[in-house]
Amino acid sequence: DAGITQSPRHKVTETGTPVTLRCHQTENHRYMYWYRQDPGHGLRLIHYSYGVKDTDKGEVSDGYSVSRSKTEDFLLTLESATSSQTSVYFCAISGSGGSNEKLFFGSGTQLSVL
Amino acid sequence: DQQVKQNSPSLSVQEGRISILNCDYTNSMFDYFLWYKKYPAEGPTFLISISSIKDKNEDGRFTVFLNKSAKHLSLHIVPSQPGDSAVYFCAASAQEGAQKLVFGQGTRLTINP
Repeated sequence: DAGITQSPRHKVTETGTPVTLRCHQTENHRYMYWYRQDPGHGLRLIHYSYGVKDTDKGEVSDGYSVSRSKTEDFLLTLESATSSQTSVYFCAISGSGGSNEKLFFGSGTQLSVL
Repeated sequence: DQQVKQNSPSLSVQEGRISILNCDYTNSMFDYFLWYKKYPAEGPTFLISISSIKDKNEDGRFTVFLNKSAKHLSLHIVPSQPGDSAVYFCAASAQEGAQKLVFGQGTRLTINP
């Protein structure tokens, strides 16, 4: 199994509060991704990183920010959580950004915004 | 606009029979297709892939078929086993890279003993 750890695994928070999810990898992979999984939508990309301090937006980036200060850590922040951000969040990694690259996923974070 | 669609949210198959999961796409620029499998409380794991230069790829009990003219791919599992019960996502990408990977909505496969 790829060495990917997401924390926390579960989080319940209130609307308007800031939330940070952490993804830590031990594979030294260059690319890291944050996805959210919602019923009827599959997995949708929020943000991704192609190196330290290098990040870009995905399909559903509004309301989210990311940071990558070290190769192994990729943080996802919800500045002011809303109920629409209740979801399961997955971090993924890949060695390169090629179109035929397999992604390795973490176990996910279940976030509930009340 | 959903570029990758899995129109069956769920599928139930008897153990030992063939499971066929379907996926349709609309973007003709997609040239690489993947299937991921997901168990509850775990992240998706890669299962099998196929390049657009092929129409079939096989790995043990799993075979993926690609029909480019119909913009359709399918995953066949033969014979189906109880451990195959999971949610299956198809995904497609174009030359732009993995960050442009587009996932379908997923199909929940249940294998009945």
